[in-house]
Amino acid sequence: DVKVTQSSRYLVKRTGEKVFLECVQDMDHENMFWYRQDPGLGLRLIYFSYDVKMKEKGDIPEGYSVSREKKERFSLILESASTNQTSMYLCASSRFRDYSTYEQYFGPGTRLTVT
Amino acid sequence: AQSVTQLGSHVSVSEGALVLLRCNYSSSVPPYLFWYVQYPNQGLQLLLKYTSAATLVKGINGFEAEFKKSETSFHLTKPSAHMSDAAEYFCAVSRGKAAGNKLTFGGGTRVLVKP
Repeated sequence: DVKVTQSSRYLVKRTGEKVFLECVQDMDHENMFWYRQDPGLGLRLIYFSYDVKMKEKGDIPEGYSVSREKKERFSLILESASTNQTSMYLCASSRFRDYSTYEQYFGPGTRLTVT
Repeated sequence: AQSVTQLGSHVSVSEGALVLLRCNYSSSVPPYLFWYVQYPNQGLQLLLKYTSAATLVKGINGFEAEFKKSETSFHLTKPSAHMSDAAEYFCAVSRGKAAGNKLTFGGGTRVLVKP
């Protein structure tokens, strides 16, 4: 069974802290994604990676960075957390160039609160 | 650029009644379309997908959707709602081969099922 796991379900951090969100997939997928989910706005893409050490900015990359040192692991980094980064963060993965489906597999999410 | 509009951020249905969730999209390339469901405190799970084969697509849990190119719509239906259908539903469209495997999501529709 396919699986995407995220390191924390709930996280509370203080303004200005450096925050790491970790995501691991066991499907040998090339593509990995980070989204944030806010009420009424759906899912918005923060960053995308299509290979180890490769990354591409999504629609809302400001205030975030990412790291992909191993194929199965994709980390989202908030360099200096701010209250407007309080949100649900979802990680997803998919097969590279799987244009027949574009299907993405999602982790359970991390609800981050910045106080 | 691709976009997705889901009409109605909240829908309330009675148990046993028809569920109809509306999704309209815009796309400059032939679209692949998806419906995902998110149960409380979980990640997104694929309900069904349209990938240019049959225009009427059947998914899991009794849901189906019809692709109508002339109306740029991909509405989701289920003939008889169950209490377990209470969740948030997201429509998504592919961004095209040049954009890799990225998806654009709608704002989501939360479904409440009344006994």
